[in-house]
Amino acid sequence: EVQLVESGGGLVKSGGSLRLSCAASGFTFNSYTLNWVRQAPGKGLEWVSSISSGSNYIYYADSLKGRFTISRENARNSLYLQISSLRAEDTAVYYCARVAAGCSRGTCYFDSWGQGTLVTVSS
Amino acid sequence: SYELTQPPSVSVSPGQTASITCSGDKLGDKYACWYQKKPGQSPVVVIYQNTKRPSGIPERFSGSNSGNTATLTISGTQAMDEADYYCQAWDSSTVVFGGGTKLTVL
Repeated sequence: EVQLVESGGGLVKSGGSLRLSCAASGFTFNSYTLNWVRQAPGKGLEWVSSISSGSNYIYYADSLKGRFTISRENARNSLYLQISSLRAEDTAVYYCARVAAGCSRGTCYFDSWGQGTLVTVSS
Repeated sequence: SYELTQPPSVSVSPGQTASITCSGDKLGDKYACWYQKKPGQSPVVVIYQNTKRPSGIPERFSGSNSGNTATLTISGTQAMDEADYYCQAWDSSTVVFGGGTKLTVL
């Protein structure tokens, strides 16, 4: 069974930093592109970042570039998101999501999601 | 940047057909997918690559995409279908979500 389990969320002061983790199991981790998607309270889904299986291709939402860093450790079956200079508007549930296998650019979708980890930024 | 626009809300009576639209410039030239999101749960893909339904998703869910609009159709809507629905497409190498549509079954 595919499992994605996020951790690392919590209450953080504005201006602080946080590293989120996503532990994967039940599939060949190093074969999949992974993403972070967030949802602020009462708001919609917002894509954050993507990292290819070998970390060769990394992309960020234009509005978030500079403060977010995605990375992965295939040996540990783990995905990470480092967030710096946290702001109130970063308050959200952060999900890791797996891109379905075998899709080509533009056709891909997220076939598995974690349960999310809540980040709350206080002033 | 590329944008996808959805109606904030759609209402449907049980057993009737619900249609949720997603609009974007030349969206029909791209592939659209749809996610169902219920409160406290993770999103679940219900339609991918415009029209395909993942295993385990009921046949009452269907999709289309043409021109500037992708549409998610739920036939014979059930109370359990009440949720937020998000369309998603790719703009080059970045992912774009629509703003979401709250489907109310009443």
